[in-house]
Amino acid sequence: AQSVTQLDSQVPVFEEAPVELRCNYSSSVSVYLFWYVQYPNQGLQLLLKYLSGSTLVESINGFEAEFNKSQTSFHLRKPSVHISDTAEYFCAVSPAAAGNKLTFGGGTRVLVKP
Amino acid sequence: GAGVSQTPSNKVTEKGKYVELRCDPISGHTALYWYRQSLGQGPEFLIYFQGTGAADDSGLPNDRFFAVRPEGSVSTLKIQRTERGDSAVYLCASSLTPTSSNTGELFFGEGSRLTVL
Repeated sequence: AQSVTQLDSQVPVFEEAPVELRCNYSSSVSVYLFWYVQYPNQGLQLLLKYLSGSTLVESINGFEAEFNKSQTSFHLRKPSVHISDTAEYFCAVSPAAAGNKLTFGGGTRVLVKP
Repeated sequence: GAGVSQTPSNKVTEKGKYVELRCDPISGHTALYWYRQSLGQGPEFLIYFQGTGAADDSGLPNDRFFAVRPEGSVSTLKIQRTERGDSAVYLCASSLTPTSSNTGELFFGEGSRLTVL
């Protein structure tokens, strides 16, 4: 079984400041790692993912996450946030050999202030 | 359709009543998932369909919960004898390929918010 811990339930941040959302996981098997985002009044959507290869992965809107196997972490960062980044962010894992059955963390609500 | 469609968007019912929640996945997606999201928590896996069959129903909390996908497209989540603890947002997601070429991209609907009074 897998589990995911997101250490921060809420992160307030000023516009143009950097943000880091922490995610740690546990698993007895190899996993794939994901960040999903839920904007207000919208469904969850994939932000970025790590399947294999380079441990640093990037999204099209400036977020990046680094897979650290030794620390079992997959923290999400953005060097400069915008008001439009206000959303809830969910870290998730799935067993590499078992399809898309995702286990989610509890979520981190990011509120970007002007 | 353009995206995953879930109906109703909101459902208020009384304890003990029967409820059905419907999910219409993206056309051509063979895999369909149901998740439940309680207030302040992340989505929790309930059941996964590959085609018409339930490939994994290990997340269903008890036998009051049941889901079907008779023609491999639309799915219905059925909850019998609802309890106040069933109140949550029920999310449906679909994907193209569920196993060996896992890409991890599930396409989620906006959810059905169930409130049991």
